[in-house]
Amino acid sequence: DVKVTQSSRYLVKRTGEKVFLECVQDMDHENMFWYRQDPGLGLRLIYFSYDVKMKEKGDIPEGYSVSREKKERFSLILESASTNQTSMYLCASSPDREGYTFGSGTRLTVV
Amino acid sequence: AQKVTQAQTEISVVEKEDVTLDCVYETRDTTYYLFWYKQPPSGELVFLIRRNSFDEQNEISGRYSWNFQKSTSSFNFTITASQVVDSAVYFCALSEEGYGGATNKLIFGTGTLLAVQP
Repeated sequence: DVKVTQSSRYLVKRTGEKVFLECVQDMDHENMFWYRQDPGLGLRLIYFSYDVKMKEKGDIPEGYSVSREKKERFSLILESASTNQTSMYLCASSPDREGYTFGSGTRLTVV
Repeated sequence: AQKVTQAQTEISVVEKEDVTLDCVYETRDTTYYLFWYKQPPSGELVFLIRRNSFDEQNEISGRYSWNFQKSTSSFNFTITASQVVDSAVYFCALSEEGYGGATNKLIFGTGTLLAVQP
């Protein structure tokens, strides 16, 4: 089974901190994605990557950056965390349009 | 522009009732995929079904069934004889074409919270 592993299930950070959310997949998938989920808004795409060192902005990239130095790892970076970035963050990977596998999510609280 | 609409924010039913979750989509692609995911309170997204745009056959899996109608751009999900364990948020999603086919963003609806009361 494909596994997408997010390093932290729960995270509490202070306003202004630099935050790294890590995601690792074990099936050599080309595509990886970061979403955030908020009540009433569903899942919104932050960034995605279709190859190592390649990245594309999603619908809500402001305040975030990403890094993909290796195929299996896709990191989401909050350069200076703010309270409005308190959310559930979900990582996904996919070989193509037919299948997506999601991690368990990281619930980030910024205080 | 691609869009997925789940107009039902919350649905509450009593166990053993049938319930239908609506999903309407918009896309200019001729080839696309539609998905349903379940998100129980634990938070993990559980894949339920994928349907491609060329296959309009309805599908049944146990108590779950899906009705795909291109004419109305709808992909509705019915749970027959609902159970308490069906309580979750359900998301409908659309996979669109990306640059040269290489990228494939998954676009979600806002979800429907289903509460099944005992």
